[in-house]
Amino acid sequence: GAVVSQHPSRVICKSGTSVKIECRSLDFQATTMFWYRQFPKQSLMLMATSNEGSKATYEQGVEKDKFLINHASLTLSTLTVTSAHPEDSSFYICSARDALPSGSSRPDEQFFGPGTRLTVL
Amino acid sequence: AQKVTQAQTEISVVEKEDVTLDCVYETRDTTYYLFWYKQPPSGELVFLIRRNSFDEQNEISGRYSWNFQKSTSSFNFTITASQVVDSAVYFCALSGFTGANSKLTFGKGITLSVRP
Repeated sequence: GAVVSQHPSRVICKSGTSVKIECRSLDFQATTMFWYRQFPKQSLMLMATSNEGSKATYEQGVEKDKFLINHASLTLSTLTVTSAHPEDSSFYICSARDALPSGSSRPDEQFFGPGTRLTVL
Repeated sequence: AQKVTQAQTEISVVEKEDVTLDCVYETRDTTYYLFWYKQPPSGELVFLIRRNSFDEQNEISGRYSWNFQKSTSSFNFTITASQVVDSAVYFCALSGFTGANSKLTFGKGITLSVRP
């Protein structure tokens, strides 16, 4: 249980295009999802917290107009990188928190997706 | 503000050696969680352990063990008899219990290389 998927796993795009990354909780409902960015050989940095049915909360320094987050259902959050540039090339990882933890899932535990590697040419 | 420091950046050992990965944290919260994650070359984060701040018992899981010392704000991770498959980046992380404090703060990670 507690599986999170991301799609696509890898994407290459031209500068100026927009890219959408999907994060899905496959076997649980997630009222809260998190988006992280990881540059090569660096740590994970939280970009934003996505709440189902409401606006995302962005971390300081993250441009909300550039990184659009939509959390339209309890199992899906999307991150759209608008007008992508080479400096946006990174590994994007989402995580989801189980809204109804039980059994093996503990309160406040975050389950991570496999990540999406974005390369902007 | 929360902070996690992993002072070691890269560690290289020969297979079967024991290795300890250090983690020091800072938080103003009285209750918090500490985590260790493994990130192999594939990139996917693998959850290893979560401890809460009021449980200072050390934990052992197979070749892995964790030493939580609240007095020194440390949560160190030891791999006994290391194997090549242990080669990965290891992150220590911290979060509060609820609300905005429940965001995960990661350390910079330690790259562990285990040579045959």
